[in-house]
Amino acid sequence: EVQLVESGGGLVQPGGSLRLSCAASGFIFSSSWMSWVRHTPGKGLEWLAYIKQDGSETYYVDSVKGRFTISRDNAKNSLYLQMNSLRAEDTAVYICGKGGWYPDYWGQGTLVTVSS
Amino acid sequence: EIVMTQSPATLSVSPGERATLSCRASQSVSSSLAWYQQRPGQALRLLISAASTRATGIPARFSGSGSGTEFTLTISSLQSEDFAVYYCQQYNNWPRTFGQGTKVEIK
Repeated sequence: EVQLVESGGGLVQPGGSLRLSCAASGFIFSSSWMSWVRHTPGKGLEWLAYIKQDGSETYYVDSVKGRFTISRDNAKNSLYLQMNSLRAEDTAVYICGKGGWYPDYWGQGTLVTVSS
Repeated sequence: EIVMTQSPATLSVSPGERATLSCRASQSVSSSLAWYQQRPGQALRLLISAASTRATGIPARFSGSGSGTEFTLTISSLQSEDFAVYYCQQYNNWPRTFGQGTKVEIK
């Protein structure tokens, strides 16, 4: 059974940093593109970034480019999202997905709240 | 950025009835369109890719159609477990973009 479990969310002050993790199981992680999206009540679903199987290619939406970094550790079957210079508008549920075009599995997400 | 617009925002349907959900792209996405279902408290579930190809394990009552800028998701006979929010998503261009969702509720 495919499972994606996000962790690392929480409350952080504006300007702060947070590193999210996504633990993958039930499939060959090293063979899959992986993605991060976020979900807010106001803006809906926003695709943030995706990464190639070996980490050699990454793509970012403009709103997070230069602040967020997607990475992976295939030995640990884990996907990461390093988030720096966080802003109030980054408050959202962050969700990882298996795939880079139309993910066929998604996690349930981890909540990030940016507030002083 | 391609803007995806879904209509209606909310659809009230009785169990057993047909539901038709629409998704419009601000420019052509060819057939690079996916549909997802999200039940309360659950993860997104892929229903359809390539505008009309059902994902593994998705019941035949779900069907997708369209190309270019106009797409439709049809649920032929609504079951209790189908009351949820449905999202369309284009993957023809970067960034990938989602519609704002259509909530299918019990009438």
